[in-house]
Amino acid sequence: DAGVIQSPRHEVTEMGQEVTLRCKPISGHNSLFWYRQTMMRGLELLIYFNNNVPIDDSGMPEDRFSAKMPNASFSTLKIQPSEPRDSAVYFCASSFVTGEGELFFGEGSRLTVL
Amino acid sequence: SQKIEQNSEALNIQEGKTATLTCNYTNYSPAYLQWYRQDPGRGPVFLLLIRENEKEKRKERLKVTFDTTLKQSLFHITASQPADSATYLCALEWRYSTLTFGKGTMLLVSP
Repeated sequence: DAGVIQSPRHEVTEMGQEVTLRCKPISGHNSLFWYRQTMMRGLELLIYFNNNVPIDDSGMPEDRFSAKMPNASFSTLKIQPSEPRDSAVYFCASSFVTGEGELFFGEGSRLTVL
Repeated sequence: SQKIEQNSEALNIQEGKTATLTCNYTNYSPAYLQWYRQDPGRGPVFLLLIRENEKEKRKERLKVTFDTTLKQSLFHITASQPADSATYLCALEWRYSTLTFGKGTMLLVSP
């Protein structure tokens, strides 16, 4: 059974460019989470969806960040325009329930903004 | 605001010994607490969950304790092996909130 699938695994871009990260959650899971991981701040929740609806986006750092979940099997995280401080590993995770549900993480997308 | 503290220094132990990792938190006790393992370049993998009304949970060589008085969870790996070397993250969920992760502690098990 496939796990959470993220693409791209690595992205190097220049400041000002648009970046789109993609995630396919595990089939049947109804919650999807986007996290960002850096050495300084650890894993930070950016946004989470329940049944494709954004529930909490308080972790989204700025208007430059946006996330969508058009259907149960696909989500995107977009950064426009990107800045060097956005460099991090971005993880997508899904779970069957919110509350006491273990999270299943993808392998992450490592973003480097020059 | 709630804070989660894990030892930032790596824990070095010898194979066969018991590794003990600590997760401390401030203010209110969470509804439950989870532990994850993360290998370099990989996503975190769930290991164990313990609820606020549970004192201890075991799974094979893993044991988690939860002390709401001390505001602390301990994560033990008995008979440790080099393959246990990884970063271990604790994650807490308070009521009406989402899962918040600590920064993790790296464990190095030498043969």
